[in-house]
Amino acid sequence: SQKIEQNSEALNIQEGKTATLTCNYTNYSPAYLQWYRQDPGRGPVFLLLIRENEKEKRKERLKVTFDTTLKQSLFHITASQPADSATYLCALVLNRDDKIIFGKGTRLHILP
Amino acid sequence: ETGVTQTPRHLVMGMTNKKSLKCEQHLGHNAMYWYKQSAKKPLELMFVYNFKEQTENNSVPSRFSPECPNSSHLFLHLHTLQPEDSALYLCASSHPVQGPNYGYTFGSGTRLTVV
Repeated sequence: SQKIEQNSEALNIQEGKTATLTCNYTNYSPAYLQWYRQDPGRGPVFLLLIRENEKEKRKERLKVTFDTTLKQSLFHITASQPADSATYLCALVLNRDDKIIFGKGTRLHILP
Repeated sequence: ETGVTQTPRHLVMGMTNKKSLKCEQHLGHNAMYWYKQSAKKPLELMFVYNFKEQTENNSVPSRFSPECPNSSHLFLHLHTLQPEDSALYLCASSHPVQGPNYGYTFGSGTRLTVV
């Protein structure tokens, strides 16, 4: 069956450290993978996109990797801050014009 | 604000009531979506509209009825809901021509409670 799996437990990281979130998928072949941030009571906010032929993408303190062999994406936040505390959603896009398929998300807490 | 506005933010309704959720965007996007978000579940796609035409209905019960009068407005009409329909309902929009590069733009959602 098709699945998208993100760390089911909340992740607690000390301020200043690097937070790493995992997204694994099964029986999908996405052309793109996106990451979103969602704060309580708000809608998700798009952060980054990475294409299947890209290994790594960076944006400020964010870094995303995409390994289509392992069927895994890693999302890193370096020099983490309490304001980075939120739920992070991974989303697959199978083709350019296709709808997005979301994972359940991982709740991240950055501890001061 | 993201540019996608949803009203109301909170709604409590009885199982026999009829209500409507509203979504509005002026981002120039031509695709609009309704999602349901329940606790500990991934976002569930309900409906997709492209250029005002419904292109997807993801096996949603008929007690949910979408309406898209133009590319800027989307409604979700609700009637005879069940308590398990209580959830956060999110509207999103995108520009199909741009592809997935900019993701979807979501509203803040309507928190619906069915009593």
